[in-house]
Amino acid sequence: AQKVTQAQTEISVVEKEDVTLDCVYETRDTTYYLFWYKQPPSGELVFLIRRNSFDEQNEISGRYSWNFQKSTSSFNFTITASQVVDSAVYFCALSEVGTGNQFYFGTGTSLTVIP
Amino acid sequence: GAVVSQHPSWVICKSGTSVKIECRSLDFQATTMFWYRQFPKQSLMLMATSNEGSKATYEQGVEKDKFLINHASLTLSTLTVTSAHPEDSSFYICSARWAAPPYEQYFGPGTRLTVT
Repeated sequence: AQKVTQAQTEISVVEKEDVTLDCVYETRDTTYYLFWYKQPPSGELVFLIRRNSFDEQNEISGRYSWNFQKSTSSFNFTITASQVVDSAVYFCALSEVGTGNQFYFGTGTSLTVIP
Repeated sequence: GAVVSQHPSWVICKSGTSVKIECRSLDFQATTMFWYRQFPKQSLMLMATSNEGSKATYEQGVEKDKFLINHASLTLSTLTVTSAHPEDSSFYICSARWAAPPYEQYFGPGTRLTVT
């Protein structure tokens, strides 16, 4: 079974629109970490955020915000006022302490911001 | 943050030859490194876990004799693709794990392998 599900394969938005990327995870561990990475066309993964399972506070960093809800096993990512430079593939990932902190990546969401 | 490098960043080789990819943690020691493979428009798939001083652990379906992994020091792991074939063409990414909690993983920039 897929541990991390990103149901949105591709999303296109017009510049300055807000966009939310969904991430649903599955784990039996009580201690785990959730991540979001951006992968531009160059291929290098760019770390965006890490949350641990005990910290459900939402976080905002500039135009980025994250909504972590353990009750629905979701860790959604919102980009406000999107820009062309936000065009990339975004991966959500889960790391479980119980499996030696192995990373489980979602299938990724390809975001295209149209100018 | 910690830095992980990969060398080369891209390589083209002929079918049947072998190619070695290096993964280095530049400013920290990593007892564990991971190797991932990513085909176009797909996610990262874990190939193997590399532990310093011991044999690598391969994921199901990954041929250990084809993808040789050596983790001889706390800062270097190498992946050798032996007898490469065009289907081995892919983007290979390594990560190095911090040795203490929360065992943060840092990813390298990736190596694009093309087998002709």
